[in-house]
Amino acid sequence: EAGVAQSPRYKIIEKRQSVAFWCNPISGHATLYWYQQILGQGPKLLIQFQNNGVVDDSQLPKDRFSAERLKGVDSTLKIQPAKLEDSAVYLCASSLDWKQGRAFFGQGTRLTVV
Amino acid sequence: AQSVTQLGSHVSVSEGALVLLRCNYSSSVPPYLFWYVQYPNQGLQLLLKYTSAATLVKGINGFEAEFKKSETSFHLTKPSAHMSDAAEYFCAVGMFSGGYNKLIFGAGTRLAVHP
Repeated sequence: EAGVAQSPRYKIIEKRQSVAFWCNPISGHATLYWYQQILGQGPKLLIQFQNNGVVDDSQLPKDRFSAERLKGVDSTLKIQPAKLEDSAVYLCASSLDWKQGRAFFGQGTRLTVV
Repeated sequence: AQSVTQLGSHVSVSEGALVLLRCNYSSSVPPYLFWYVQYPNQGLQLLLKYTSAATLVKGINGFEAEFKKSETSFHLTKPSAHMSDAAEYFCAVGMFSGGYNKLIFGAGTRLAVHP
């Protein structure tokens, strides 16, 4: 079974630049999550999609972060403009339902803002 | 509000010793509970999950966890640590709330195993 694909794996940008991350979830998974994991901390949910609709973006800094999930499949997360504190690993995950009982994670994109 | 607390950000054990990583949760609805492991520069891998079946859950690599509702705990254990167990471990609580599934993580515990 193919897993959750994310790209790029690593990205270094200067502050005030923009950046975009891409995620391809497991086929058929309706729920897609974007998490931010700052070094030494647990993953923090940024935004959650159910199919192509947003169900939770309460912790997304909407003045600089945006995300979309076209046709309920792939998703992109964008930061514009980036700040130093955005340096983190951005994790994408997908899940089918809770009967399956788990979310599958991609390897993440490590962002460094300098 | 739902939350997950992992006691101890760093745990160090000797090879062959018992591993105990603590997790407490708060949830207003019956939760699903998970332990994930993260090796350096890798994504999160599921170790084990509790989904309201048996309270003692066995996972991969010899790990197991026991759900104790009275203590709102889901501690992770392994009888004998191996050097390859050195990683970061995250407890997570999943629940169906507000019409959709939510997955909330603890801050993580870094496990070091020394000879």
